Amino acid sequence: EVQLVESGGGLVKPGGSLRLSCAASGFTLITYSMNWVRQAPGKGLEWVSSISTGSNYIHYADSVKGRFTISRDNAKNSLYLQMNSLRAEDTAVYYCASVAGSGLDHWGQGTLVTVSS
Amino acid sequence: EIVLTQSPGTLSLSPGERATLSCRASQSLSSSYLAWYQQKPGQGPRLLIYGASNRATGIPDRFSGSGSGTDFTLTISRLEPEDFAVYYCQQSGSSQFTFGPGTKVDIK
Repeated sequence: EVQLVESGGGLVKPGGSLRLSCAASGFTLITYSMNWVRQAPGKGLEWVSSISTGSNYIHYADSVKGRFTISRDNAKNSLYLQMNSLRAEDTAVYYCASVAGSGLDHWGQGTLVTVSS
Repeated sequence: EIVLTQSPGTLSLSPGERATLSCRASQSLSSSYLAWYQQKPGQGPRLLIYGASNRATGIPDRFSGSGSGTDFTLTISRLEPEDFAVYYCQQSGSSQFTFGPGTKVDIK
């Protein structure tokens, strides 16, 4: 069974940092481009970042550019999101998702990041 | 950045009725790069349609997608009780993917 499991969320003060992880099982991550998508409480989906299979193509939403860094370790079948200079508006559930065709076909259950003093 | 607009914001219908959801892009988009998702409360999104009109694995044929250019449509031919949810369109035609704001389909 294909499974993505996010971890690393929690409560952090404004200006702080967190590193999210996404562990894949049931499939080989190396063959998929991967994305991070977030959802603020009661709000819609917001795309955050994407990374190609070989990490040579990386893109960010303007709202996180310069503060967040996406990376992957194909040997560990894992995806990461390093989040620095966190703001209250970064509070959200963060999902990792794999790309198939032009859609995000497998999603994790999400990990909650709360930025508050 | 390609901006996606969805309408209506809320659609109130009864089980068995047909639902038509609209997604409009701020610039022309290859249909290959338009997807639709369903999200229920407390759950992550589920891919329904990719490439504007291709059903994802396991998606019932009452769900269909169409459109091209800047206008795309998701149609649910006959609403089942489990279809009441929020639906999002998403584009991957530019380096920055974007989602629409969503359409909530609720029970009339």
